[in-house]
Amino acid sequence: ILNVEQSPQSLHVQEGDSTNFTCSFPSSNFYALHWYRWETAKSPEALFVMTLNGDEKKKGRISATLNTKEGYSYLYIKGSQPEDSATYLCACDRGSTLGRLYFGRGTQLTVWP
Amino acid sequence: NAGVTQTPKFRVLKTGQSMTLLCAQDMNHEYMYWYRQDPGMGLRLIHYSVGEGTTAKGEVPDGYNVSRLKKQNFLLGLESAAPSQTSVYFCASSPIRRGVHQPQHFGDGTRLSIL
Repeated sequence: ILNVEQSPQSLHVQEGDSTNFTCSFPSSNFYALHWYRWETAKSPEALFVMTLNGDEKKKGRISATLNTKEGYSYLYIKGSQPEDSATYLCACDRGSTLGRLYFGRGTQLTVWP
Repeated sequence: NAGVTQTPKFRVLKTGQSMTLLCAQDMNHEYMYWYRQDPGMGLRLIHYSVGEGTTAKGEVPDGYNVSRLKKQNFLLGLESAAPSQTSVYFCASSPIRRGVHQPQHFGDGTRLSIL
């Protein structure tokens, strides 16, 4: 069992606010870090897969950074919209041939209009 | 393009009953996974498979069995359902690792209640 921590557990922001949350993971045996977006009553959808220290990825108003030396990743949402309301999951890949991921418990984001 | 399909979407069982959850993927993925999601617990891996005819235990395998007789299907069985198995079950698949980092693709979930 791998300890992947996400904070905060939940977050409420107003429409237009920018927000960010954190995923921390053991830096040893690191292979990749995944971010997923999970809307209520739907299935998790992949946002980013990040591998290199200093990596930064962007998809629209959502971006993520990765620090593999200290074992954390930040997810940023610029100008939050109500449709961004979802649970954001991160998962750590330790590089086994089995493709196994270790998930955090998620950050639940609610964006109020 | 269906992706990952889970059957059924909802089910209510009585304690002691058995049932099988079906996961089917049409992406020719090698790897398949079964997770359960409980409030405050995130996704926990039950069993997984790296190919047809092979399965392995995940984090919370007790009370469940799996089979992967065909590459596209991964079945999760509950032999004698218990109230503690009330949960939302997600199936996922991913292609074989060949130096390219691939995300997992998830089904829409099966909501199972054990009375």
